[in-house]
Amino acid sequence: DGGITQSPKYLFRKEGQNVTLSCEQNLNHDAMYWYRQDPGQGLRLIYYSQIVNDFQKGDIAEGYSVSREKKESFPLTVTSAQKNPTAFYLCASSILGGAGNEQFFGPGTRLTVL
Amino acid sequence: QQQVKQSPQSLIVQKGGISIINCAYENTAFDYFPWYQQFPGKGPALLIAIRPDVSEKKEGRFTISFNKSAKQFSLHIMDSQPGDSATYFCAARVGGANNLFFGTGTRLTVIP
Repeated sequence: DGGITQSPKYLFRKEGQNVTLSCEQNLNHDAMYWYRQDPGQGLRLIYYSQIVNDFQKGDIAEGYSVSREKKESFPLTVTSAQKNPTAFYLCASSILGGAGNEQFFGPGTRLTVL
Repeated sequence: QQQVKQSPQSLIVQKGGISIINCAYENTAFDYFPWYQQFPGKGPALLIAIRPDVSEKKEGRFTISFNKSAKQFSLHIMDSQPGDSATYFCAARVGGANNLFFGTGTRLTVIP
């Protein structure tokens, strides 16, 4: 059963703590992405990776970090430097290039800072 | 700066009516325009997509209309059903790239 899994579904964090959101895919996709979703702002790209051990900043990378040690995994760390981390976080994956290049999304993680 | 501008922010339609969501862009390097559907608490899923070499694409009750000269594209949902109630996002991709630029979303409510 192929797809993208994100965990946890809900995450609560105290101010000043780092937290790591998990994203795993078994679609054999080379590219993976992290988005942040806020009401009325759509999806904004945080980081993306096209190959293992390489990743690039998106539009709102400040206060976040990622790693891509395995093709299947692309964890996102929300650091204490992120001023307003409460949001819905979405992970996606896709093939590289191609005619359609559809991005497949995971179910998301809702992060709340207490 | 929003690369893809989407309107309206919210839309209420009677069951059986037509829902229309509009998007506009400026970057002429965009070559792929997908629409995503998102239900509450879930990730978005691809609904339908179009390339600029065609003016219309239809899949069931969902149609994309594309106006290259005006740099606008729209999603039409015919015979709207309560099950269509969701948030819809348009997006665009630069040719040769992988990243998508998303609109701000339209929350559609279909009233029975």
